[in-house]
Amino acid sequence: DQQVKQNSPSLSVQEGRISILNCDYTNSMFDYFLWYKKYPAEGPTFLISISSIKDKNEDGRFTVFLNKSAKHLSLHIVPSQPGDSAVYFCAAGQNTDKLIFGTGTRLQVFP
Amino acid sequence: DVKVTQSSRYLVKRTGEKVFLECVQDMDHENMFWYRQDPGLGLRLIYFSYDVKMKEKGDIPEGYSVSREKKERFSLILESASTNQTSMYLCASSSPTEAFFGQGTRLTVV
Repeated sequence: DQQVKQNSPSLSVQEGRISILNCDYTNSMFDYFLWYKKYPAEGPTFLISISSIKDKNEDGRFTVFLNKSAKHLSLHIVPSQPGDSAVYFCAAGQNTDKLIFGTGTRLQVFP
Repeated sequence: DVKVTQSSRYLVKRTGEKVFLECVQDMDHENMFWYRQDPGLGLRLIYFSYDVKMKEKGDIPEGYSVSREKKERFSLILESASTNQTSMYLCASSSPTEAFFGQGTRLTVV
């Protein structure tokens, strides 16, 4: 029973365009959501987070949107760059006591 | 500015061996986690710890144990390594608003 789902295993986007990565969750008690980026053979690195009291958080080229009624969050990257090519994981939790991760989406940004 | 350090990047062990994976964090976080990452399965939680000497099972604890004798150190133990434990192992520590991962340990059991 996956509480956090990333239904798209992969995504290809042209450089300069917008990348949209999606994540759905089932547990309405989650109050904190995070996005991580992972390169091969490295640990995930924190990208951006959002708490359940907000519906948008922006940091440079990265914006996370939260739709609590739909239990859905998305990460927008604009403009996309080749260095953004990686696997992206969304995670959800309650005060990050126990983070539940999705299965990841592999983003490929091509020239 | 290293925050979470895992003792090894790559390990090769034989079936049946006892394996220790060490993780140290320098952020004074109370929460620490061990995950494994496998293709198509994402990050799966093995064990986590809220405090020294505290541990709780995650989603896939079978075949593993942990030790948290000091706040900064969280060890994952494979009592008798098996080939299906070949994986990338990731340690993390967290506060209420952030979580950081180590660089990962690629373990191969032959």
